[in-house]
Amino acid sequence: GAVVSQHPSWVICKSGTSVKIECRSLDFQATTMFWYRQFPKQSLMLMATSNEGSKATYEQGVEKDKFLINHASLTLSTLTVTSAHPEDSSFYICSARSQGADEKLFFGSGTQLSVL
Amino acid sequence: LAKTTQPISMDSYEGQEVNITCSHNNIATNDYITWYQQFPSQGPRFIIQGYKTKVTNEVASLFIPADRKSSTLSLPRVSLSDTAVYYCLVAYSGTGGFKTIFGAGTRLFVKA
Repeated sequence: GAVVSQHPSWVICKSGTSVKIECRSLDFQATTMFWYRQFPKQSLMLMATSNEGSKATYEQGVEKDKFLINHASLTLSTLTVTSAHPEDSSFYICSARSQGADEKLFFGSGTQLSVL
Repeated sequence: LAKTTQPISMDSYEGQEVNITCSHNNIATNDYITWYQQFPSQGPRFIIQGYKTKVTNEVASLFIPADRKSSTLSLPRVSLSDTAVYYCLVAYSGTGGFKTIFGAGTRLFVKA
């Protein structure tokens, strides 16, 4: 199946710093990618839809200035958590939509962010 | 956007067949149904996808009745390693855009 690579797998940072997470579709082009957030023992919560070459669409309650999304190419989307605080600590997951006759959604392996 | 409802948890024993049903009463004409498996601290893994009737692959079967208001994921002969959370997703694919909202998922516990 298609592969979506997410990097880093985990990151620890100090409060006030910014963290960038990368999401790459390795063997297909993805005009649309999605970013999710997941707390322990809870389901995935959609944060935003990342569209190649245009501004991301954020879900209600998600601060666009806090979570910066860039989708500069058909294979790469990045999520930057700006001025991170301990409450931003969470598991972040990206997904990419493959296109064509057999359209599917594939997920990255996730990034565990811990803000001290 | 179709909302999905699944049982919160299920228990099974190794070697048994497990069926997990998902309700999606307001599924739209163009919506596909997809099932994912997620282990702790990992991203969801694609299991199977279908639109109607029955779909089978090497790991699972997906049964979708004619009205498409529900779907059942069937896992044949589960093993301990199948202990995970299973999500059903209903997603629209077309000119109106593509968005997926996860339900609560079903926690499957497979016992020896």
